Amino acid sequence: GAVVSQHPSRVICKSGTSVKIECRSLDFQATTMFWYRQFPKQSLMLMATSNEGSKATYEQGVEKDKFLINHASLTLSTLTVTSAHPEDSSFYICSARRGQVNQPQHFGDGTRLSIL
Amino acid sequence: AQSVTQLDSQVPVFEEAPVELRCNYSSSVSVYLFWYVQYPNQGLQLLLKYLSGSTLVKSINGFEAEFNKSQTSFHLRKPSVHISDTAEYFCAVPSTHYGGSQGNLIFGKGTKLSVKP
Repeated sequence: GAVVSQHPSRVICKSGTSVKIECRSLDFQATTMFWYRQFPKQSLMLMATSNEGSKATYEQGVEKDKFLINHASLTLSTLTVTSAHPEDSSFYICSARRGQVNQPQHFGDGTRLSIL
Repeated sequence: AQSVTQLDSQVPVFEEAPVELRCNYSSSVSVYLFWYVQYPNQGLQLLLKYLSGSTLVKSINGFEAEFNKSQTSFHLRKPSVHISDTAEYFCAVPSTHYGGSQGNLIFGKGTKLSVKP
C-alpha cells in the first residue's frame, strides 16, 4: 500500500524558532501533497495544496510567509513554520495523492508541534 | 459548496455490539466519498472509499459503508466491534473549490468511537 512518511513526529522548541517538517511518499510519486492542521478535538483544516514544481496554493487565512511550503520533487514536500509562536502549536498532518482527484489521499502520521 | 456532517461526536459501545457512524454530505457534483480512521497521535488511514459502481463498499477489517444518493448519506457500519476499533473516524468528500482541480478533502468533524469491554 501507499506509504507516506512524516518527520519529525514531535517537536518542542522555543518561541521564535523556525521548524521544518518533511513529508515523503515512500513508494509512489505524489503529484499533489496537502498540508493540514488539526486542533484538539477538531477536524482537519486544509492549510495548503502543493503541486510538484509549482507554488503552493494556500487556503484563506493561512499566512504564506508564515508557513512556507516547498515541493521540490514528486516524493518530498516540506512545511516550514517560520518564527513559530505558542499559537502555532498544533498537530500538522501531510497527505499525498497520486493521479487524479478521485484517488484517495495517503496520510503521514503527523507532527505534534509545541512552542514554548 | 460541499459539506460533510457527522452528527455524532462520540459513540460509546460495548465490545461485540454493532455500530453505525453517520455521515451526510452535500454536493452538487459527482460524488466520491471516503472514510478515514485516526488512532491516537497518528495520522489518518484510509478505511474505505466510494468512487462508482456498487453502492456498498467494504474494508478488510469488517467495516462497510453504503452510498445512498437519495438520502445523501454514507454511513459506516460494523456488525461486531472490537476494542481495537477504538479511534476517531472521519468522513470526507473532495472539494470542488478551485474547480475541483486539486481534489483536497472536506472532512466532517469526526466521530470518536469508544469500544468498552
